[in-house]
Amino acid sequence: NAGVTQTPKFQVLKTGQSMTLQCAQDMNHNSMYWYRQDPGMGLRLIYYSASEGTTDKGEVPNGYNVSRLNKREFSLRLESAAPSQTSVYFCASSEPGEVAKNIQYFGAGTRLSVL
Amino acid sequence: RKEVEQDPGPFNVPEGATVAFNCTYSNSASQSFFWYRQDCRKEPKLLMSVYSSGNEDGRFTAQLNRASQYISLLIRDSKLSDSATYLCVVNIGRGKLIFGQGTELSVKP
Repeated sequence: NAGVTQTPKFQVLKTGQSMTLQCAQDMNHNSMYWYRQDPGMGLRLIYYSASEGTTDKGEVPNGYNVSRLNKREFSLRLESAAPSQTSVYFCASSEPGEVAKNIQYFGAGTRLSVL
Repeated sequence: RKEVEQDPGPFNVPEGATVAFNCTYSNSASQSFFWYRQDCRKEPKLLMSVYSSGNEDGRFTAQLNRASQYISLLIRDSKLSDSATYLCVVNIGRGKLIFGQGTELSVKP
């Protein structure tokens, strides 16, 4: 059972380049999320998708776009990368369930450096 | 004020020690609470949910005080393998989790 799969694992970009981070889950979860994690800070929500066909901004959406391609896949796009976007990016999915516990399962992360 | 605040640590303890982590949250409408564990350069993984009545899972005990908006995690008989960063996490609803910055634990022989 793969769970949540992210690609690529590592990426180096030059300022102004664009790229898409891919995420797929095989747990039939409705909700998917993109976070970034910076040193000394907790994970911060960039965008999330409560269900297929919907996306919403999180805490730090500027400079990013997302696409919920289908129930399995949720991609994050950097249109014009900036050094401030150097970070570790995590994708997660969850099935809130009856009590809305929202337990999230994470991918292994993408380490992105923007030079 | 941060929505979820934790002692940043690091906590350096010998094997066998008991260690306690504290966490406070600001949103009184928070719905559910968790402790996640994150190993160095790895993804966060759920350690345990936290219930108002308190709950225990082996050497780990979690407590929640809604009136004080306070969450704790107690680890007894620390093992070397417990070395990690522990994240306090609060579900504020509408699918959103808020993460504390994490408390680093290092267990030494």
